[in-house]
Amino acid sequence: AQSVTQPDIHITVSEGASLELRCNYSYGATPYLFWYVQSPGQGLQLLLKYFSGDTLVQGIKGFEAEFKRSQSSFNLRKPSVHWSDAAEYFCAVANFGNEKLTFGTGTRLTIIP
Amino acid sequence: EPEVTQTPSHQVTQMGQEVILRCVPISNHLYFYWYRQILGQKVEFLVSFYNNEISEKSEIFDDQFSVERPDGSNFTLKIRSTKLEDSAMYFCASSRDRANQPQHFGDGTRLSIL
Repeated sequence: AQSVTQPDIHITVSEGASLELRCNYSYGATPYLFWYVQSPGQGLQLLLKYFSGDTLVQGIKGFEAEFKRSQSSFNLRKPSVHWSDAAEYFCAVANFGNEKLTFGTGTRLTIIP
Repeated sequence: EPEVTQTPSHQVTQMGQEVILRCVPISNHLYFYWYRQILGQKVEFLVSFYNNEISEKSEIFDDQFSVERPDGSNFTLKIRSTKLEDSAMYFCASSRDRANQPQHFGDGTRLSIL
């Protein structure tokens, strides 16, 4: 069965600093990978997705993620965080032909001045 | 940009009562989903729906749950006899295609069972 691990429950970053959120997945074939963001009281907003092709994908709000098959990872990055990036971030995986999304446990991001 | 809309935003129900959560998916989407998130836990898949039938469901989606697309726009989740452990945030999602199009989520319905 597919699974997603987000090893960091909570990360605190200074505004303007760089950010990397980790995601590892377990799946036999090439998965479809996603990052979603959830602000307090809000739904899940898609940041970016990877299906195939270029392993570095660009998303909204200045985020990017890199798919590394050898490490089974899909880490999310941002070069300079803004206070408005404070939220919960979820990595998710789906299989080709199976539309169910499997989510990680999430990483809560706190931004300090 | 088109959105998935869910109503109500918060539903409070007595244990044992039936509850219906409503969703309006994005209009040209063909695949519909329900997920739930118990407070402090991860988002869990409940069910997917395509062509007027369930295409996949999880272990959570037992006989107490049902889904329906009663007309061309609404997609509903019904819980027949609610339990305390059904308290959660329920998210509706839709996608245009099965796997190579991302799922778009609504803002959720917070269900509180008393």
